[in-house]
Amino acid sequence: AQTVTQSQPEMSVQEAETVTLSCTYDTSESDYYLFWYKQPPSRQMILVIRQEAYKQQNATENRFSVNFQKAAKSFSLKISDSQLGDAAMYFCAYRSRTYNTDKLIFGTGTRLQVFP
Amino acid sequence: DARVTQTPRHKVTEMGQEVTMRCQPILGHNTVFWYRQTMMQGLELLAYFRNRAPLDDSGMPKDRFSAEMPDATLATLKIQPSEPRDSAVYFCASGLGQASGNTIYFGEGSWLTVV
Repeated sequence: AQTVTQSQPEMSVQEAETVTLSCTYDTSESDYYLFWYKQPPSRQMILVIRQEAYKQQNATENRFSVNFQKAAKSFSLKISDSQLGDAAMYFCAYRSRTYNTDKLIFGTGTRLQVFP
Repeated sequence: DARVTQTPRHKVTEMGQEVTMRCQPILGHNTVFWYRQTMMQGLELLAYFRNRAPLDDSGMPKDRFSAEMPDATLATLKIQPSEPRDSAVYFCASGLGQASGNTIYFGEGSWLTVV
């Protein structure tokens, strides 16, 4: 069974600085998807970024980028130019491409605080 | 603006009462998920459906929980009888099948408090 591990329960960053959130996963599959979701205090789950395992190029979305290391099974999220609105829980998630087992498996989350 | 719609947003109920949560997935999405979020357990998958057929409900306590999709536009999660330990945020999410590799989109959640 696949597992997702987020080893940093909490992180903090100064506004305008850069922070990296870590995520590792365990799988025997070669093709899958990885996601980062943001959950602000409202509890809404918001997609931040996604990565397809067969793509070597790291995904980027504006100030958000990932460092995808397939061999190491690592999928970290880098937030550049941090803003106060980035403060939230961040969840790393894995989704299999195998038919009928393609549920999202979540890590335990990292709480990000952003200080002015 | 397509989105997953969940009702009720907030529910306070007494122990032993029946609770039904409803979800309208995004039109055209054929995969629907129910997740529960608690401080202790994090995000747990309770059940998921593809084309209205249940694929995996292994995370759901079968004695009191049930999940159904009466039609493609409605998914329900029922708890009967409810217990204080069921207090959590329940998320419905929808997406397309893995062949499309699409993202799963979440509703705003149903906050349940059982007293």
